[in-house]
Order: sequence, then structure tokens, then C-alpha cells
Amino acid sequence: DSGVTQTPKHLITATGQRVTLRCSPRSGDLSVYWYQQSLDQGLQFLIQYYNGEERAKGNILERFSAQQFPDLHSELNLSSLELGDSALYFCASMAGSNTGELFFGEGSRLTVL
Amino acid sequence: AQSVTQLDSQVPVFEEAPVELRCNYSSSVSVYLFWYVQYPNQGLQLLLKYLSGSTLVESINGFEAEFNKSQTSFHLRKPSVHISDTAEYFCAVSETGGFKTIFGAGTRLFVKA
Repeated sequence: DSGVTQTPKHLITATGQRVTLRCSPRSGDLSVYWYQQSLDQGLQFLIQYYNGEERAKGNILERFSAQQFPDLHSELNLSSLELGDSALYFCASMAGSNTGELFFGEGSRLTVL
Repeated sequence: AQSVTQLDSQVPVFEEAPVELRCNYSSSVSVYLFWYVQYPNQGLQLLLKYLSGSTLVESINGFEAEFNKSQTSFHLRKPSVHISDTAEYFCAVSETGGFKTIFGAGTRLFVKA
């Protein structure tokens, strides 16, 4: 158990819909990262938050947004969903010492029909 | 910007045989290097890391990796694999003190009896 909690574990929805994925980092970790894992794209970095502020942005679509709340949990919002958004979405947190080691949740599997 | 190339997408190997999973990176600054492992239906977990010091790093389950700065490589090796080592292995790089960790495309290790 990494200590990072993601909900829901599985989600099935239709094209055009909007979903929210939630992540609780390990106790004491201030950084939250979001990654998308798909068969054709591999593991893609989406966005990173540190203590409520956006710190780094990767290949995140404009239809996607994220935020980190004062209690440090984070939410990834995916809107106007397309079939190609079907993927495993991982959240990870990093210890404050910033040694680069990430602790991953078990992921949220999104299926868009 | 950093990038990571894992040279083999799949590596089949017989049980008790040695294995090497290859990883090359590019970066204009000093980096931290990581290998993560993903077992089926699980999140990624850290296998080993290079931050500084000795260029040879080891994991608790017999894997080792060597940082080669001149060849910008961080290959993962194990002298004798087990069936339970079957998983996907990801090489990753982050700038020292940086915030973004970039992953390679992954290498699927399949250990056959």
C-alpha cells in the first residue's frame, strides 16, 4: 500500500460527458502528480501541484483541468469526453525532500463508450 | 527538456536466465534516475533509484542498475529472473531539484517457465 488513494477505481461513461477523479496523497506529501496511461501513448505526465499551486504542466488537454485543495487532496476533471480519453489515470505524490521518488495510487480506469 | 528511451518494448526470457532492460536518457542538466515496476492491475512502485554517489544501485529483490554518464544510460539487470518478476518496468528521469518526472514507454518483461 503506497498510501496514495484514488477514487473511483473504475468509471464507465459516454462521449461528451464530464467526470472527476479524486486523489488523496500520502500523509505529509505536498506534491501531487497526475499521469495518463494508455496502450498507445504509454505513461504521460499531465500536471503537478505543490501545496495548492500548479507547478508543472505536461501533455494535458484543454478539456482537462485539475486542482489541489487546502487539505492537499487533488481532483482531475475531464470534460467533453472522447473515446480516446479511455485510459488509466494515475495520481502520485512526492515526499517533501524532492528526491524525485513518486508514490503511485492504484489508478482510476476510465472507459468512454 | 529531458527524455527517456527504453529500447525494448518486450523482453521474453526463461526462468533463472539473466536479463537486461535498457534505458537511455537525455538531459542538459544533472538528473535523478529511477526504475519503477508495475505488476498487473497495480500502480507503479519504485524498484531502485540513483540520486548521487555510487553509480551502481541495487534493489532488495536482486535487481541492479548502473548509471553511465558518458553513455547517458541506466540499464537494469538481474542475474537470474523468477516467474514473479513478470511485470512492466519503467525507466524515469527527473532534473535534480526539479518537479517533473518523465517516464519511458516501458518494457514488458515476460518470464517463462
